[in-house]
Amino acid sequence: KNEVEQSPQNLTAQEGEFITINCSYSVGISALHWLQQHPGGGIVSLFMLSSGKKKHGRLIATINIQEKHSSLHITASHPRDSAVYICAVRSFQGEASGTYKYIFGTGTRLKVLA
Amino acid sequence: KAGVTQTPRYLIKTRGQQVTLSCSPISGHRSVSWYQQTPGQGLQFLFEYFSETQRNKGNFPGRFSGRQFSNSRSEMNVSTLELGDSALYLCASTMGRGSLTLGAQYFGPGTRLLVL
Repeated sequence: KNEVEQSPQNLTAQEGEFITINCSYSVGISALHWLQQHPGGGIVSLFMLSSGKKKHGRLIATINIQEKHSSLHITASHPRDSAVYICAVRSFQGEASGTYKYIFGTGTRLKVLA
Repeated sequence: KAGVTQTPRYLIKTRGQQVTLSCSPISGHRSVSWYQQTPGQGLQFLFEYFSETQRNKGNFPGRFSGRQFSNSRSEMNVSTLELGDSALYLCASTMGRGSLTLGAQYFGPGTRLLVL
């Protein structure tokens, strides 16, 4: 079982629909990121969360640390939102190295139809 | 300011061969991290270089190696290629240590490697 699970794997929506992508994790984390990857490979960071909720434009990200779960919501979806959305958690790698490691979900492929 | 560039963008190799991929970070950035992305495993961290030293390493076999030059450009090498090495290889640069915050990393477009 992967340490970071995303659902759904694929999602097709009509323009204007409200979209929710879920991320569950099984490790202790210090932060969780939501990334967006457009065709062609380029990845941009949307949010970093350690608690609560963040909003940026039509995007809302929430995290529940106790339940080890995060959601990414897109309101009034648009075809330009079509991309792969990736959840990544930051976990402490170990005292010896003093570094963090990132564990990534396999992504949710979103297609928004006009 | 130019973004992160990766060369080549596409590459076809056969099993047993070796390959070298190149990453030029954004000017002024000192950290380069490498990731492998496959449909089955998703993104996986390979290694991070900062000031010419490997600072962090993921869980990959020794066939995967890298280095960073004094101008912060980085190369990664995969020896004795296997079919399972077919993937999109992404590099990302940041000013400080990349392992400290993914959100500050700027990703390149990737090199798509196909091993036949």
